[in-house]
Amino acid sequence: QKEVEQDPGPLSVPEGAIVSLNCTYSNSAFQYFMWYRQYSRKGPELLMYTYSSGNKEDGRFTAQVDKSSKYISLFIRDSQPSDSATYLCAMSARGGGADGLTFGKGTHLIIQP
Amino acid sequence: DGGITQSPKYLFRKEGQNVTLSCEQNLNHDAMYWYRQDPGQGLRLIYYSQIVNDFQKGDIAEGYSVSREKKESFPLTVTSAQKNPTAFYLCATAGTGGQPQHFGDGTRLSIL
Repeated sequence: QKEVEQDPGPLSVPEGAIVSLNCTYSNSAFQYFMWYRQYSRKGPELLMYTYSSGNKEDGRFTAQVDKSSKYISLFIRDSQPSDSATYLCAMSARGGGADGLTFGKGTHLIIQP
Repeated sequence: DGGITQSPKYLFRKEGQNVTLSCEQNLNHDAMYWYRQDPGQGLRLIYYSQIVNDFQKGDIAEGYSVSREKKESFPLTVTSAQKNPTAFYLCATAGTGGQPQHFGDGTRLSIL
């Protein structure tokens, strides 16, 4: 079993829909959770950074962490065509991923105009 | 401009050749990281450095080498021992106090 599982998609939704992206993990030591957005031929861009269980909201984005289920989610409200990208979850046991981050494979999201 | 600069954007390697990828930052971040990304794959950690003149192997360090002589710079050398070097290489940095990692725009390495 891989450490971090993420459905690669593609996930295609109409503009304006609510998008739900998810990752599961097996390492109970993970405490810090991140979501990155990556456009083609670009580096990942940090969207959300959370610690332990709970919710965090930033504009149209909401990150949820359920450590008891080893499950994290990213919700995108009022999705836009510009949200079309690959979304990577990442996690670590230490703050900031001090000894490196563990990534999912990424979910390719397509927002249809 | 503040940020992380990776160069070149595209690089080609001949068989048996070593090549060096550059990563420079002016964010005054202590920690720097190198990851490799293959198509349809997540990022995998090659090497990282939390302080000048010190670095640690990541999960896939074989066939790679690094140096950290200056805080601003963390070059990665892909040696001839790396038999499958074609990939997208990403450099990241992080400040102190558990700040998250931020990434450069990568170097795409291909074999001639």
